[in-house]
Amino acid sequence: KQEVTQIPAALSVPEGENLVLNCSFTDSAIYNLQWFRQDPGKGLTSLLLIQSSQREQTSGRLNASLDKSSGRSTLYIAASQPGDSATYLCAVQGGKLIFGQGTELSVKP
Amino acid sequence: GAVVSQHPSWVICKSGTSVKIECRSLDFQATTMFWYRQFPKQSLMLMATSNEGSKATYEQGVEKDKFLINHASLTLSTLTVTSAHPEDSSFYICSARDRVPGYSGANVLTFGAGSRLTVL
Repeated sequence: KQEVTQIPAALSVPEGENLVLNCSFTDSAIYNLQWFRQDPGKGLTSLLLIQSSQREQTSGRLNASLDKSSGRSTLYIAASQPGDSATYLCAVQGGKLIFGQGTELSVKP
Repeated sequence: GAVVSQHPSWVICKSGTSVKIECRSLDFQATTMFWYRQFPKQSLMLMATSNEGSKATYEQGVEKDKFLINHASLTLSTLTVTSAHPEDSSFYICSARDRVPGYSGANVLTFGAGSRLTVL
């Protein structure tokens, strides 16, 4: 059974810092891994999708890496801004899409 | 890009009534849709997988008679919460599978904006 864990559960940083969110999964037989953003009371916004054959994806200030063999992914956010404050979820897709518990990020001005 | 519409975005109902939530894929056909539930400050938990033209597959612990899922067309799946009770109050999110050209076997999921159900 696939289990997805995200560390830390919550993170508070000052504006401008670079930060790393971590995601680990137990079963490496996945099609892809996605990082999502969720604002309070809202749905999901897809940030980055990494196919199982890829090592990383970049979009603007975001960079996500995937190491399937070790069951790990990281989301790197450069030069954080208050508008980045949200909950970040990683999810791995095998037959089903399984989510981690999320990291609640707060970027303080 | 692929868009999934969910309706209603929020609903308040009395205990004992039934509530229907719709999930539509607007610009693609979705043979498979997924229904998730999210409690406050928690992650999304998969409730069931909805396949067009066949019965839904429910995850362990999810009552199929409580949460009725119908996927009658390639663009619409519905979740009906029957005889709703306050403990059914939650955020329900659907997603639909859209194939990414060039990636065989790697299906991208697009999510709806969610439906917040409050049962009084």
